[in-house]
Order: sequence, then C-alpha cells, then structure tokens
Amino acid sequence: LAKTTQPISMDSYEGQEVNITCSHNNIATNDYITWYQQFPSQGPRFIIQGYKTKVTNEVASLFIPADRKSSTLSLPRVSLSDTAVYYCLVGDKAGGGNKLTFGTGTQLKVEL
Amino acid sequence: DARVTQTPRHKVTEMGQEVTMRCQPILGHNTVFWYRQTMMQGLELLAYFRNRAPLDDSGMPKDRFSAEMPDATLATLKIQPSEPRDSAVYFCASGLVHASPGFYNEQFFGPGTRLTVL
Repeated sequence: LAKTTQPISMDSYEGQEVNITCSHNNIATNDYITWYQQFPSQGPRFIIQGYKTKVTNEVASLFIPADRKSSTLSLPRVSLSDTAVYYCLVGDKAGGGNKLTFGTGTQLKVEL
Repeated sequence: DARVTQTPRHKVTEMGQEVTMRCQPILGHNTVFWYRQTMMQGLELLAYFRNRAPLDDSGMPKDRFSAEMPDATLATLKIQPSEPRDSAVYFCASGLVHASPGFYNEQFFGPGTRLTVL
C-alpha cells in the first residue's frame, strides 16, 4: 500500500501565506486529491478538492503538477484560527483505486 | 444544516466486551465511511459502503470487527471482543460519491466516538 506523506509540522505568522505539500506517488488515474482540516476533538472538515492544475475557492488554492504525484495546499494570509492539522486524501492505485489513504497530517501552528 | 451524527460520543469498556458504534449519515448521501484515528497510525480507513453495499472492508480486522448498514439512515460498527489496542477515535463520514468519472472524495465527518478499552 502506497504511503501518502506530508511534513509533520509547520510554523507561520498571521498574515503570511502557507504552502503544505503532499506526496502521493501511486495516485490512481481517475482519483481526485482532497484536503481536509481537523481541529482537536473534531472530525476532519473538507477544504478543497482537485484533479489537476489549479483549483481555488474562498479559503484556499490547490496546485497539482502534471504528473499528479504531489499536490500543494496554499492558505493565503493565515490567521490564528487556521492552527489545525491538515490532511491530504487520495485514492491508492495499489488498492485498485478504491483504497482511500489519508496523508500523515501536517500540524500548522500560526502565531501572532 | 445537515450533519453526520454518531453515538455514543464516548465509550469506556473492558477487554472482551462487545462495542457497537452507530452513525446516521446525511440524508441523500450514498456512501458511508468508517475511519479509525490513533496517534500512532493516524487516520485509517476501515470500511465503506455505497448504496448500503460494502465496497471495501480490507482495513478492518475481520475476526473481531464488523460493519453493516441495516438501512439508509443507520450504519453500525461492531467490535467483538474488544481489546485495549482498539482504543481510538472512530469516525463515520458520508458523501455523495460518483463512480464516474472518478472517485469524488468530499466527505462529511461526524464528531467521532472516543473508545477506551481497559
């Protein structure tokens, strides 16, 4: 089973842009890449989803290169409330495309 | 505001006891997922159902775990017998998933059931 990896932690300051990268070498051809945010004692919450190139919504952007073996979540102008764990989620080619694999998670800490 | 609900929110039990966790997915969603989260393993997919049919339960220890959807409004995850290593937070999620063109992975998570097996 392929492993989806992310940096364990990142630190930032309010107002800065934060980019979190996820490596997913065995992504299935038809699978999407999704990012979730999780606060303590809560379930993950959907942030953004994409298949290729760039996707932008009101809270984030998602950059996916042509080979789709990685993706980058971009959070513009973070605030203290963005302190959370961020996970990428992709399908797993090793599992026939039906095995969903969460990344290892990145703890983002935003300070004043 | 539609939400996934899970009961109980907390469960403390002794080794060897049966544990049943319940989930009510969002009305209209056709896929239900069960995940387990621990500090060591992170978020692991245990099983999921589409239109109430099991699609994949390869993440579950088959000898003690079972997942079912008796109807569209209820999903259950049972552990029998429970063991201390089963202590974790169990999340249910639901989503509207399309088989084509690909796997659409927007899932809505419940608040989780925190299980402690002594």
